[in-house]
Amino acid sequence: NAGVTQTPKFRILKIGQSMTLQCAQDMNHNYMYWYRQDPGMGLKLIYYSVGAGITDKGEVPNGYNVSRSTTEDFPLRLELAAPSQTSVYFCASSESGKSYEQYFGPGTRLTVT
Amino acid sequence: AQSVTQLDSQVPVFEEAPVELRCNYSSSVSVYLFWYVQYPNQGLQLLLKYLSGSTLVKGINGFEAEFNKSQTSFHLRKPSVHISDTAEYFCAVSSPVDTGRRALTFGSGTRLQVQP
Repeated sequence: NAGVTQTPKFRILKIGQSMTLQCAQDMNHNYMYWYRQDPGMGLKLIYYSVGAGITDKGEVPNGYNVSRSTTEDFPLRLELAAPSQTSVYFCASSESGKSYEQYFGPGTRLTVT
Repeated sequence: AQSVTQLDSQVPVFEEAPVELRCNYSSSVSVYLFWYVQYPNQGLQLLLKYLSGSTLVKGINGFEAEFNKSQTSFHLRKPSVHISDTAEYFCAVSSPVDTGRRALTFGSGTRLQVQP
């Protein structure tokens, strides 16, 4: 199993540009999450999904959108990039059982200038 | 709402010395507790977790943690560290009553710096 994969690994955007961060998992997990990691701040939840077709906002959803058309994929969309969105973005997935353990991808480092 | 406090942002330690990374949480409901490790330029990897049962939890790479409900703590320990343990360590909390999001709330992280 590849686990959780994310593309791209690095990206530089200009203010106002848009992009999609890709996330895929091959573990047939129902739950998927997007977090952002800012220096010294830990990880903050942006959006999550409990299954295909079902998404909801986390703590810091402003400026982002998500979709979940399949169990495997959970892309994160930035419509109008702002410098405040400079961060490292992590995708994670979790099974539906009792564990609550989340499996993380390698991250995407995004810089908006 | 839940929160996690990691009191030490950085912990320098010499190789083969013991280390303790502190984690305190706040929650009005029962909790699940986790420690994750992040090596430079990598994603997060689970070290250990507490769901129920024994309060002393053993994880990978020789790490262990003890759940203390009365002190709302979940400190991470290792009796003898190696250079390869240099990384960022995150404490996280979730709750079995959160059957909707099942999301993790993270602390701000502790950077463990092992020196030769």
